Amino acid sequence: DVKVTQSSRYLVKRTGEKVFLECVQDMDHENMFWYRQDPGLGLRLIYFSYDVKMKEKGDIPEGYSVSREKKERFSLILESASTNQTSMYLCASTVGGRLNTEAFFGQGTRLTVV
Amino acid sequence: LAKTTQPISMDSYEGQEVNITCSHNNIATNDYITWYQQFPSQGPRFIIQGYKTKVTNEVASLFIPADRKSSTLSLPRVSLSDTAVYYCLVGDIGFQKLVFGTGTRLLVSP
Repeated sequence: DVKVTQSSRYLVKRTGEKVFLECVQDMDHENMFWYRQDPGLGLRLIYFSYDVKMKEKGDIPEGYSVSREKKERFSLILESASTNQTSMYLCASTVGGRLNTEAFFGQGTRLTVV
Repeated sequence: LAKTTQPISMDSYEGQEVNITCSHNNIATNDYITWYQQFPSQGPRFIIQGYKTKVTNEVASLFIPADRKSSTLSLPRVSLSDTAVYYCLVGDIGFQKLVFGTGTRLLVSP
């Protein structure tokens, strides 16, 4: 059974803290993605990665950074958490180099910044 | 990924067939059309994917006209558990970044 696993389901952090959200996939996928989802705004792409040590900005990268040191792991970093980063965060992966493929998502991390 | 346009919301009743249409006027030759379903507090999950004409699986059917500028997801005999948000994506997903629109919120009532 293929899996994308996010390290936490719920997280509460204080303003100004450095926050790490971890995502691991066991499908040997090349591409990995981080999204945030807020009511009425759908899924918005934060960052994505095509390969180890490679990263590309998505539509809303401000306030975030990412790390991909190993193929199976893609980390989202909030350098200094703020209350407007309270959201549901979703990680996804896809296989690269194919015209038709599907994305697999993790269960999501609901982050609350207080 | 090609820009897509879907209705914001739809309502239906149990047992009815639901058709959700997605417009994608600037679809490219290599692009596939993929639909995802998302329940509250969960990540989206793949429903169906197609390139042209009609695709059917155990969950849904996907109708794509010859010009491929739109597609229709058809859910036969919906139940309350089909209440979810449905997203249409167009692109060669394995190559490009994956960008979702706001989706269609389907509400199925008894």
